[in-house]
Amino acid sequence: GAVVSQHPSWVICKSGTSVKIECRSLDFQATTMFWYRQFPKQSLMLMATSNEGSKATYEQGVEKDKFLINHASLTLSTLTVTSAHPEDSSFYICSISGRAHEQYFGPGTRLTVT
Amino acid sequence: KNEVEQSPQNLTAQEGEFITINCSYSVGISALHWLQQHPGGGIVSLFMLSSGKKKHGRLIATINIQEKHSSLHITASHPRDSAVYICAVRRGSQGNLIFGKGTKLSVKP
Repeated sequence: GAVVSQHPSWVICKSGTSVKIECRSLDFQATTMFWYRQFPKQSLMLMATSNEGSKATYEQGVEKDKFLINHASLTLSTLTVTSAHPEDSSFYICSISGRAHEQYFGPGTRLTVT
Repeated sequence: KNEVEQSPQNLTAQEGEFITINCSYSVGISALHWLQQHPGGGIVSLFMLSSGKKKHGRLIATINIQEKHSSLHITASHPRDSAVYICAVRRGSQGNLIFGKGTKLSVKP
């Protein structure tokens, strides 16, 4: 099955700064990647669908100017949290969907904004 | 009401016990996934089902499409099975999932 990596695995940043999270598909060309966010003791919530070579599709309530997504190649999508605030502190997970719609998840990135 | 409901929310079992986690959904789906999330946060996909039953080692997953219900069973449970088990459904041809809130399982030695 596909292996998905994320970098960094955790990051602490100051309020007002921007943070970039990378999601890589190591052995599978993913035309679509998904970005999720998970707050403590909550279920995962889809933030956006990242499409290679085109604009991401954001879920209702997710600010596209704050959460910038770039899917520059079939193996890399990046999520940039701009002007981060403490309420953006969360666990961010990416996933890819295989040819038969099986799901492969990255290990997640824990963001703490101080 | 959530589109995907899981029960129980929390489950404590003794090592060796047979465990069942339930998932009900209220929308039409093309597939249902059972996922395992360990304390560190990483998520592993256990099963993807669209009908019937699947078995992998000590894990068994079943789905009843007419009743919109799925169960995950763990036989001969072990402390290493302790994790959060998440039911997620996929609607139509879209790849994104709708997640249940998870069932936190703790298996005591």
